[in-house]
Amino acid sequence: GQNIDQPTEMTATEGAIVQINCTYQTSGFNGLFWYQQHAGEAPTFLSYNVLDGLEEKGRFSSFLSRSKGYSYLLLKELQMKDSASYLCAVRVLTGANNLFFGTGTRLTVIP
Amino acid sequence: EAGVTQSPTHLIKTRGQQATLRCSPISGHTSVYWYQQALGLGLQFLLWYDEGEERNRGNFPPRFSGRQFPNYSSELNVNALELEDSALYLCASSSPGTGARETQYFGPGTRLLVL
Repeated sequence: GQNIDQPTEMTATEGAIVQINCTYQTSGFNGLFWYQQHAGEAPTFLSYNVLDGLEEKGRFSSFLSRSKGYSYLLLKELQMKDSASYLCAVRVLTGANNLFFGTGTRLTVIP
Repeated sequence: EAGVTQSPTHLIKTRGQQATLRCSPISGHTSVYWYQQALGLGLQFLLWYDEGEERNRGNFPPRFSGRQFPNYSSELNVNALELEDSALYLCASSSPGTGARETQYFGPGTRLLVL
């Protein structure tokens, strides 16, 4: 089976940097996705990694280490609107194409 | 460009009834995925449709079923509703053929409450 772990909750201060970690154990890795989900809303796509290294997109960056089964999402210059759940999802090589999601990390940004 | 749309927004049913949820993908997307998000749990994969065919299903009982229409919209049917079926049901669409970077885009969801 697939196992994806993330911290349940995190709190950070406006203007700061926060790193949300995700570890996974899957059979046949084929990419890792990060989504942001505000309460009561749809998940929105943030980033995708399939090769080791860092992908940067404005204030958000995502890192992947396939050998360690580890990824993190880095959020810089935190804003109040960044308060949301951040979902880590893995796609596997079974041809099934669906994503396996962690339970999400609820980030609260405080003034 | 319009995003993924779902209807209804909310649905209240009683135990034993049937629920039908609908999804329209982004224009040009042929794949539709259904996920269940129960309170406190991560998104759980339900079904994947592509080009009108069911391609894969998650670990859910057969009373969860669906179909995809020629215009690529999709329907999720849940029969013999149980209290634990209460959840947010999310639909996502993607465009196959974009290779390893194929990304799923989600709709706003249907919140199903079973009483």
